[in-house]
Amino acid sequence: EVQLVESGGGFIQPGGSLRLSCTASGFTLRNYWMHWVRQAPGKGLEWVSRMNSDGSYKIYADSVKGRFTISGDSAKNFLYLHMTSLRAEDTATYYCVRGRAEYSSPMGAFDIWGRGTMVTVSS
Amino acid sequence: VVMTQSPLSLPVTLGQPASISCRSSQSLVHSDGNTYLNWLHQRPGQSPRRLIYAVSIRDSGVPDRFSGSGSGTHFTLKISRVEAEDVGIYYCMQGSHWPPITFGQGTRLEIK
Repeated sequence: EVQLVESGGGFIQPGGSLRLSCTASGFTLRNYWMHWVRQAPGKGLEWVSRMNSDGSYKIYADSVKGRFTISGDSAKNFLYLHMTSLRAEDTATYYCVRGRAEYSSPMGAFDIWGRGTMVTVSS
Repeated sequence: VVMTQSPLSLPVTLGQPASISCRSSQSLVHSDGNTYLNWLHQRPGQSPRRLIYAVSIRDSGVPDRFSGSGSGTHFTLKISRVEAEDVGIYYCMQGSHWPPITFGQGTRLEIK
């Protein structure tokens, strides 16, 4: 079965750091672009970051630029989101989402979502 | 690109049709000629699930009572006959012009 499972969320004080992980099963991460999307409690969806299949191109939402870093470990089939200088407004459920397959149409993007991991930033 | 959905709340009687509108602040036609407009459904307590991609193509397993249409800046998701399992929040999202990828505010469908 094709699925994504996130982990690493928790309670963290403002200014702290946290690393989220996402493991894939049923497919190989290095063949796909991957995204992180977040959802604040009771709010809508906000795109956070994207990495291409070989990790050579990474982009971020303005709200997290300079504080968050997306990365991957192709050998372990893991995707990460390293978050630093955390703020209260970063409190959200973070979803790992499959993007397009490399060399394929962008139509395939956003077809697989993980269950999410909750991050709470509070003093 | 700003995505604007309406209505934000949609009470519907079981078996009746439902329609959600999504408008973008600029045309979603990509330079490759395709339009990357998706519809997502999020049931209470669950993660979002993609229902429709490229405006009108249903994902595998999505009932044919769901249909997507539109072009340019105006798109519509229609449910021909609402069932109880259709409750939740529906989001449109665009992948034609990014960064950033953007989502609509969401439309909450509930059963009357």
